[in-house]
Amino acid sequence: NAGVTQTPKFQVLKTGQSMTLQCAQDMNHEYMSWYRQDPGMGLRLIHYSVGAGITDQGEVPNGYNVSRSTTEDFPLRLLSAAPSQTSVYFCASSYGTGLETQYFGPGTRLLVL
Amino acid sequence: ELKVEQNPLFLSMQEGKNYTIYCNYSTTSDRLYWYRQDPGKSLESLFVLLSNGAVKQEGRLMASLDTKARLSTLHITAAVHDLSATYFCAVANDYKLSFGAGTTVTVRA
Repeated sequence: NAGVTQTPKFQVLKTGQSMTLQCAQDMNHEYMSWYRQDPGMGLRLIHYSVGAGITDQGEVPNGYNVSRSTTEDFPLRLLSAAPSQTSVYFCASSYGTGLETQYFGPGTRLLVL
Repeated sequence: ELKVEQNPLFLSMQEGKNYTIYCNYSTTSDRLYWYRQDPGKSLESLFVLLSNGAVKQEGRLMASLDTKARLSTLHITAAVHDLSATYFCAVANDYKLSFGAGTTVTVRA
């Protein structure tokens, strides 16, 4: 199993550009989520999904969209990038919806100029 | 809004000594998680604590949960250099996970 994979590893955007961060898992996990990590603030939940076709907002959803058309994939879209979205983004998944052990992807470092 | 507080935020440990990291949270939850993160890396799950009084141990790390006090502790026994990392606790509320700010641990000889 590849586990949780994320692409790209690193991205530079200009203010106003849009992009999609990709996340995929091959463990048949129902629950998937996106976090951003900023220095001194731990991780903050952006969006999450408890299964294909079901998504919901986390703590900091503004400026981001998600969709879950398959169990395996959970892309995160930045609609119009802003410097405040410069961060490290982690995708995670877990079996079932009881939030058992979460498995994190390697992360995407995003710099918005 | 669920708030999770860790302390200390920075911990300088001497090899061979014992230390404790504390995690307090603001609302009722029966699921608490501990993660480790090495610099520039992703998060690695250490423990999942699912009930009051739960205690889990792995090597030199032991985690416990007191849901009545809304407190979890991560105890480090006889610190070694390999334990240098940032440790996060996280608490579940419905399907949402809230993280503490992390405790950066440095182990010195």
